Amino acid sequence: AQKVTQAQTEISVVEKEDVTLDCVYETRDTTYYLFWYKQPPSGELVFLIRRNSFDEQNEISGRYSWNFQKSTSSFNFTITASQVVDSAVYFCALSEFNAGKSTFGDGTTLTVKP
Amino acid sequence: GAVVSQHPSWVICKSGTSVKIECRSLDFQATTMFWYRQFPKQSLMLMATSNEGSKATYEQGVEKDKFLINHASLTLSTLTVTSAHPEDSSFYICSATGTSGRLSYNEQFFGPGTRLTVL
Repeated sequence: AQKVTQAQTEISVVEKEDVTLDCVYETRDTTYYLFWYKQPPSGELVFLIRRNSFDEQNEISGRYSWNFQKSTSSFNFTITASQVVDSAVYFCALSEFNAGKSTFGDGTTLTVKP
Repeated sequence: GAVVSQHPSWVICKSGTSVKIECRSLDFQATTMFWYRQFPKQSLMLMATSNEGSKATYEQGVEKDKFLINHASLTLSTLTVTSAHPEDSSFYICSATGTSGRLSYNEQFFGPGTRLTVL
């Protein structure tokens, strides 16, 4: 069975601070996808990144960066110089490689204070 | 990119009535659609998986007779909450994957969600 653990339920930072959201996963599959989504108060899921299990390269997109470490089954997400607009719930998810069903973590609520 | 829409975006109904939620893939053929439910301050929980033209596969604990899923075409899936009760109030999100021309998607695309409130 697949499992995604986001140990941080809530994080509060002050604007311009860096913040890292942790994600640890469990799966017996050798091939899979990992995702991060942002869910603002409106409720709509916003896709942030997809990483397949073959690609362990870290990725940077503007203020966002992701650290995928297969050896520790972790896929952590860092926001640099956080902004108030980053306040949202962030979900890490694990998906079967053939676009099968996704398993979501419990989410981390990030609050960025001005 | 692939776009998924849901209708309605929100609905309020009386206890005992049935509510139908539509999920449409706008620019691709959705061979598989997923329905999730999200209670306030909780994660998304998969309810069922449906393949076009087949019966849906429900997750453990989800009542098939209460949550009717129909995936009759490659662009439309519907979720009907029958005899809705206040405890069914939740945020329902669909996702879809499939093909567009020769392109076969390996990921799910999520709809914007439908907020159901049962009085």
